[in-house]
Amino acid sequence: KAGVTQTPRYLIKTRGQQVTLSCSPISGHRSVSWYQQTPGQGLQFLFEYFSETQRNKGNFPGRFSGRQFSNSRSEMNVSTLELGDSALYLCASSLGAGATDTQYFGPGTRLTVL
Amino acid sequence: QKEVEQDPGPLSVPEGAIVSLNCTYSNSAFQYFMWYRQYSRKGPELLMYTYSSGNKEDGRFTAQVDKSSKYISLFIRDSQPSDSATYLCAMFQTGANNLFFGTGTRLTVIP
Repeated sequence: KAGVTQTPRYLIKTRGQQVTLSCSPISGHRSVSWYQQTPGQGLQFLFEYFSETQRNKGNFPGRFSGRQFSNSRSEMNVSTLELGDSALYLCASSLGAGATDTQYFGPGTRLTVL
Repeated sequence: QKEVEQDPGPLSVPEGAIVSLNCTYSNSAFQYFMWYRQYSRKGPELLMYTYSSGNKEDGRFTAQVDKSSKYISLFIRDSQPSDSATYLCAMFQTGANNLFFGTGTRLTVIP
């Protein structure tokens, strides 16, 4: 079974631009969660989508948004990029919603904001 | 204060050594505890999953939870160069929607 895939793997943007990241979950998984990983803060939860609905959102500004499609694929959008948005963005998929089901992570998208 | 604290290391040990990795946490409601391993340029992968207090062993890996001290540990016996990675602790409480992670400890096992 194919794992979680994320595209693109690397991205370089400049301040003020916007970016869209994509995540394809493991087949059959309906939940997708997004995390931001930085050396100082570690993994921080952004949001979770289940059956096309956002179930939970972390403590990030409204510039960070996402959506999920009927095939469970998810996209994350960051508008008006800031230097501090440079990070590894990870998505994780699981069968069910919430934290109880094991989350399987993708390789991440490395975003650099110049 | 962060919910989960983890020493970032780095930690370097010789091959065959016993490695001890630790996390402390502040939320006494946390009941599920996990250890993830993350290789360079890869996403985290689940290594161990324990519920409440006690020990759990899986091959060379032992996870320990001490809820009274709000302290969890991962022990790696007979460490191998292939164990070189960043180890992240994660935890959540019953009914939670998301995991809380430590910042990760980078481990290098020297042949």
